[in-house]
Amino acid sequence: ETGVTQTPRHLVMGMTNKKSLKCEQHLGHNAMYWYKQSAKKPLELMFVYNFKEQTENNSVPSRFSPECPNSSHLFLHLHTLQPEDSALYLCASSQASEFSTDTQYFGPGTRLTVL
Amino acid sequence: QKEVEQDPGPLSVPEGAIVSLNCTYSNSAFQYFMWYRQYSRKGPELLMYTYSSGNKEDGRFTAQVDKSSKYISLFIRDSQPSDSATYLCAILISSGSARQLTFGSGTQLTVLP
Repeated sequence: ETGVTQTPRHLVMGMTNKKSLKCEQHLGHNAMYWYKQSAKKPLELMFVYNFKEQTENNSVPSRFSPECPNSSHLFLHLHTLQPEDSALYLCASSQASEFSTDTQYFGPGTRLTVL
Repeated sequence: QKEVEQDPGPLSVPEGAIVSLNCTYSNSAFQYFMWYRQYSRKGPELLMYTYSSGNKEDGRFTAQVDKSSKYISLFIRDSQPSDSATYLCAILISSGSARQLTFGSGTQLTVLP
């Protein structure tokens, strides 16, 4: 496997379910990101992890809980979601340093539908 | 006012046309300017990036930045049906150790054969 992979690709869940999204990067990067992409809206940055430490949390509701056990893996735990949380959830990684452009490489996304 | 404004389209052009995609931004501290392409059911992929005013070419693609007007453009020459995708501008602000990549909402492009 190369690049950034995400599983599952599609997920349908009820509002009372608990599920997790998984992201894995095979690029040797040190930063990983979760984004939410809704129709006709800009990508919304949710969480940033740099060297496994969370450095950004853009006022995301607590029903979304990230986990970064190592620099290659990132999870997004979901519980008691709302229908408006239905969107494409994208994971990205980059090699973050003061000398880089932080070019982010994206996974294919998980299409989430909350019923 | 949004930090990055992008016309969502949709934009439909015949094969071979020159395509112009545009974004405006509001924060003068933005330093790097990027264009991503996103095919249906895929994640965005980086097309080009630049950090200075002027033009940068890569094959049929030209990225143009005008910092005085806070305006960036992507031109596609000899457009092909395979160019049909959503194009996202993205702008990086870097201040010390803090970095933030801000995206436009994307322009959906269809190139008709």
